[in-house]
Amino acid sequence: EIVMTQSPATLSVSPGERVTLSCRASQSVSNNLAWYQQKPGQAPRLLIYGPSTRATGIPARFSGSGSGTEFTLTISSLQSEDFAVYYCQQYNNWPPITFGQGTRLEIK
Amino acid sequence: EVQLVESGGGLVQPGGSLRLSCAASGFTFSSYDMNWVRQAPGKGLEWVSYITSGSSTTFYADSVKGRFTISRDNAKDSLYLQMNSLRAEDTAVYYCARDGPTYRHWGQGALVTVSS
Repeated sequence: EIVMTQSPATLSVSPGERVTLSCRASQSVSNNLAWYQQKPGQAPRLLIYGPSTRATGIPARFSGSGSGTEFTLTISSLQSEDFAVYYCQQYNNWPPITFGQGTRLEIK
Repeated sequence: EVQLVESGGGLVQPGGSLRLSCAASGFTFSSYDMNWVRQAPGKGLEWVSYITSGSSTTFYADSVKGRFTISRDNAKDSLYLQMNSLRAEDTAVYYCARDGPTYRHWGQGALVTVSS
């Protein structure tokens, strides 16, 4: 099973700042990496896959990069609605599909 | 509009059984693979199970293998998860999710609580 590790666990940032979230795989997942956003009481929402293709309706301020074992999700200018938990997911070698433990973005 | 609506959650004693349903609408259900993903209270996401559009292939997480069974009825546009021998660690919100292996559409979730 591929283990996905996200860092940091929590990030305190101010609106308007640029933020980078990291995700590391225990072995190569090639380009088969996705990012999800989850707000309290809601289902996750697919943001990015492949690992740099934005899903339908996702604003351009979200971007993804990386390959192999190291990936990043960047939000260029944080908006109030972006404060949430973000999960990475590998789908290169499945089953099982595996997710990272999440990074919580909170308002500084 | 794609809609996925889970039902069947609730409180069950350890060792008990529960069947979750997911009613799909707004798309041709029989053309899409489906999944169950769960989230324990305050925890992250855990993939549970997958079924192909025609039910020919199913996969399970090791944590539920032999206890849970995924199925679907394409005539009723419905996905199911039969959960037997439930344990406290199965307590979670269970989401049905369309597609795979990335999930573009999710239901709102059904809470399953396993407790005596």
